[in-house]
Amino acid sequence: KNQVEQSPQSLIILEGKNCTLQCNYTVSPFSNLRWYKQDTGRGPVSLTIMTFSENTKSNGRYTATLDADTKQSSLHITASQLSDSASYICVVSYPRGSTLGRLYFGRGTQLTVWP
Amino acid sequence: KAGVTQTPRYLIKTRGQQVTLSCSPISGHRSVSWYQQTPGQGLQFLFEYFSETQRNKGNFPGRFSGRQFSNSRSEMNVSTLELGDSALYLCASSLRPEQTGNTIYFGEGSWLTVV
Repeated sequence: KNQVEQSPQSLIILEGKNCTLQCNYTVSPFSNLRWYKQDTGRGPVSLTIMTFSENTKSNGRYTATLDADTKQSSLHITASQLSDSASYICVVSYPRGSTLGRLYFGRGTQLTVWP
Repeated sequence: KAGVTQTPRYLIKTRGQQVTLSCSPISGHRSVSWYQQTPGQGLQFLFEYFSETQRNKGNFPGRFSGRQFSNSRSEMNVSTLELGDSALYLCASSLRPEQTGNTIYFGEGSWLTVV
């Protein structure tokens, strides 16, 4: 079972609307949680990084929240633009010092913004 | 400054052949990690190198190998290629190993097709 689950798998919204993407994880303990944006055929680009003690982190129109108790994170996109069409990937990593130090990736939410 | 550079961008190989992919990290970055991305599995961790030493390895067969040079450039090799090895191979670099919370920068990837 994947340790990082994202929902929905795909989402279509109209330009200018807001949306929220979900990420549930079972990785424990964890060091930090990241959200990446990946355009088709390109490498992922970092949007936010949060440690377990942070509740929210913003980057322009992107706001990520984290609830370490319920092991849930969300990425909220405000006033969507056509350029927001991409795959959004949630990534969780083990803490430093662990012999299993590595990144665990969700399978992404494919967002399509229509004009 | 220049980003993470991966070469080649696209390549086609036949089953049984081997392939070598190259990654030049951002200047000053000493940590390099490799990932395989397929539509069905998402991003899967292959291995991580720091200061020419392999720190972590994912659950891939021994046909997948890598190394890092003294200038932090890295190569990965896949021998005896199988059809299932067709994927986008992503390289990422960071100042230090990823679990310390550094921003991780991805390259554009190498698209490998095995026929």
